[in-house]
Amino acid sequence: DGGITQSPKYLFRKEGQNVTLSCEQNLNHDAMYWYRQDPGQGLRLIYYSQIVNDFQKGDIAEGYSVSREKKESFPLTVTSAQKNPTAFYLCASRGAGAKETQYFGPGTRLLVL
Amino acid sequence: EDKVVQSPLSLVVHEGDTVTLNCSYEVTNFRSLLWYKQEKKAPTFLFMLTSSGIEKKSGRLSSILDKKELFSILNITATQTGDSAIYLCAVAPINAGNNRKLIWGLGTSLAVNP
Repeated sequence: DGGITQSPKYLFRKEGQNVTLSCEQNLNHDAMYWYRQDPGQGLRLIYYSQIVNDFQKGDIAEGYSVSREKKESFPLTVTSAQKNPTAFYLCASRGAGAKETQYFGPGTRLLVL
Repeated sequence: EDKVVQSPLSLVVHEGDTVTLNCSYEVTNFRSLLWYKQEKKAPTFLFMLTSSGIEKKSGRLSSILDKKELFSILNITATQTGDSAIYLCAVAPINAGNNRKLIWGLGTSLAVNP
């Protein structure tokens, strides 16, 4: 089946620990996006990538890092510098012919212990 | 500053009711407006609107855009409990780099009671 997968579904982080959230797509999409969703705050863009080996900061990039070594994969690392990481993280991708339409993965819920 | 405002923020209705969700925007160089439905997890795409006055329809859902008054509405007729979700509106501006970044509203949380 074609689609976007995110893992894990739930992730627990200890203080001072870096964690990496996985996002994989087999839709052959060039562009990929990471969002953070908090209750009552809508979707906020963390990082995005329009092509392999290139990515740009979004509106709330501090405390996060990404890589885009393969077209299919866009992992997000939540570093210890992110002071309030508890949130729902959504990955999305967009094809070249799909204009603005972004397609989302099922999300990862990150909780800080 | 570009912004998208959705109203109401939450809504509770009974099955069979008709609901209208609103999305207004102030965005420089508007390109398109998108509606998504979010249940427990991933937002799923509903409609993309680019032209004023042309209704997009899918089953009991329909949407229309007014580029003069800068808003869109999403109508749901004969609501069912399965329509309970957060409905998200996003606007795509024309911007340098063609990065297709979206400006998101906060969403409308709809609860349909049996």
